[in-house]
Amino acid sequence: GENVEQHPSTLSVQEGDSAVIKCTYSDSASNYFPWYKQELGKGPQLIIDIRSNVGEKKDQRIAVTLNKTAKHFSLHITETQPEDSAVYFCAARSSASKIIFGSGTRLSIRP
Amino acid sequence: GAGVSQSPSNKVTEKGKDVELRCDPISGHTALYWYRQSLGQGLEFLIYFQGNSAPDKSGLPSDRFSAERTGGSVSTLTIQRTQQEDSAVYLCASSGGSGTTHEQYFGPGTRLTVT
Repeated sequence: GENVEQHPSTLSVQEGDSAVIKCTYSDSASNYFPWYKQELGKGPQLIIDIRSNVGEKKDQRIAVTLNKTAKHFSLHITETQPEDSAVYFCAARSSASKIIFGSGTRLSIRP
Repeated sequence: GAGVSQSPSNKVTEKGKDVELRCDPISGHTALYWYRQSLGQGLEFLIYFQGNSAPDKSGLPSDRFSAERTGGSVSTLTIQRTQQEDSAVYLCASSGGSGTTHEQYFGPGTRLTVT
């Protein structure tokens, strides 16, 4: 079955700098890759997603890239702000149609 | 509109007792997922319902765990003879409305504490 690995587990960046979180997946048939943000005491919320027919997608300060050959995808947050502090999860929708999550990255933005 | 709701929000139970957790998905969503999240950890897949198909139960950790989805809507996750290691937040998500989006909408979770 699908396996998703996520790095780093924790990340601290200076406010205004960029943050990058990386994930790899194992199922070459996976075709949908969402990223979720989870704030304390709440359920995860989708922030951006990318499908396998696209290499990059951007939404304001957030971008996601996908390398299907290497089975890598990454989340890039530019001009980080205090409200970006949260736990971020990558995920992949496998050929079996279930969504498997990475282990999460706790992002802290230093003022 | 209404999102995914879960009840109860918190549940404290004694070891050995059975518990039922409820999930009300977004109306019209055909897919429903249950995940378990231990403190500070990622989301562990438990079970997946898609329409009228047989559920994917491959993530259930033991036969003490079961789930059903009645009428293609509300789902209950049942844990029998609870153990302390079952303590976690149980999250439900639904997806697959009238569009073709795969986006999952999560509920707020049920925090289960087994004493």
